[in-house]
Amino acid sequence: SQTIHQWPATLVQPVGSPLSLECTVEGTSNPNLYWYRQAAGRGLQLLFYSIGIDQISSEVPQNLSASRPQDRQFILSSKKLLLSDSGFYLCAWSNPETNYGYTFGSGTRLTVV
Amino acid sequence: AQSVSQHNHHVILSEAASLELGCNYSYGGTVNLFWYVQYPGQHLQLLLKYFSGDPLVKGIKGFEAEFIKSKFSFNLRKPSVQWSDTAEYFCAVSISGTYKYIFGTGTRLKVLA
Repeated sequence: SQTIHQWPATLVQPVGSPLSLECTVEGTSNPNLYWYRQAAGRGLQLLFYSIGIDQISSEVPQNLSASRPQDRQFILSSKKLLLSDSGFYLCAWSNPETNYGYTFGSGTRLTVV
Repeated sequence: AQSVSQHNHHVILSEAASLELGCNYSYGGTVNLFWYVQYPGQHLQLLLKYFSGDPLVKGIKGFEAEFIKSKFSFNLRKPSVQWSDTAEYFCAVSISGTYKYIFGTGTRLKVLA
């Protein structure tokens, strides 16, 4: 069966420090991968999505970037965090053959101090 | 731009009351529709989905949703809620042929025992 792993679960980082959040999917090949940010009262905001290795689409210009160095690995990064980067980040995958909805990871609570 | 509106941000009900959460989207073409639920401290989970066919869709835990194309709506319903239905509910739309899902801002449901 397919599983999605996201880590770390919580992270506290100082302003100006770098960020790397990792997401991996098991049990499937060539998934569509997504990074979302969830903010209270604002729902889920799509940040990046990827339909293949090194194929990244950015939805919202910001201080973050994403990379997909391997088929089932999706990384969210920043060179210098801002206070406004604090939030709850979710990774998700979907099967491009069926598009039967997302499976979400457990999320990372990022606090920038 | 496509958007999804959930007009009820907070809903409080007593157990056994009936539930209807509104979801409207703005897009004139073919869409796939989803409802996701996030129980306190848990992952986002798929509740139900509509792709085609019978516009009345039944999901897990007694939930159902009706797609009304003329109203661009996909409202979620449950005849009798339970305390365990306390959660945040998200409506989502994917445009057929695209990889992106657009989420509403969510509705926080609290069921009083």
